[in-house]
Amino acid sequence: SQTIHQWPATLVQPVGSPLSLECTVEGTSNPNLYWYRQAAGRGLQLLFYSVGIGQISSEVPQNLSASRPQDRQFILSSKKLLLSDSGFYLCAWSPTRTSGVGNIQYFGAGTRLSVL
Amino acid sequence: TQLLEQSPQFLSIQEGENLTVYCNSSSVFSSLQWYRQEPGEGPVLLVTVVTGGEVKKLKRLTFQFGDARKDSSLHITAAQPGDTGLYLCAGVWAGGTSYGKLTFGQGTILTVHP
Repeated sequence: SQTIHQWPATLVQPVGSPLSLECTVEGTSNPNLYWYRQAAGRGLQLLFYSVGIGQISSEVPQNLSASRPQDRQFILSSKKLLLSDSGFYLCAWSPTRTSGVGNIQYFGAGTRLSVL
Repeated sequence: TQLLEQSPQFLSIQEGENLTVYCNSSSVFSSLQWYRQEPGEGPVLLVTVVTGGEVKKLKRLTFQFGDARKDSSLHITAAQPGDTGLYLCAGVWAGGTSYGKLTFGQGTILTVHP
């Protein structure tokens, strides 16, 4: 079965420090990968998605970047964190082909990032 | 930009009551999903609907996809405290190449009091 791992679960970082959040998927090949940010109790904002190694698409301009060095590894980074980067970050994966049943995304447990 | 308007944003009810959450758009979606999320966790898929007019039932939850595939609803019968959580609708836009990207509604925070 497929599983998605996201870490760390909680992170407190000072303003101006770097960031690296990691997400890995097991049990599938060539998944589509996504990074979302979620405001408290609200909907998800798509930040980045990737359809293959080294292929990253950014949805919104921001202080963050993403990389996919391996097929099932997705990394969210920042060189210098801002206060506004605080939030709940979610990684998700979906099968490359949905066979007409609609795109289903499977989410990690999330990372609560606090920038102080 | 394809938007999904979800309502209500907040819902506070007593155990045993019925409720309906709505998800509306001016855009056509090829499929629509409903997720449930608990605090500090990722969303978990409840159902996917792909055919206009489709109705799916999951125990006390009934999901409907509009005939024109622009809207959906989630109805819960005899709500229980265990139903408390954030409910999210999300859809795959029918136009263009979306690479499976989902558009999410703003979410409905449901609280069911014992």
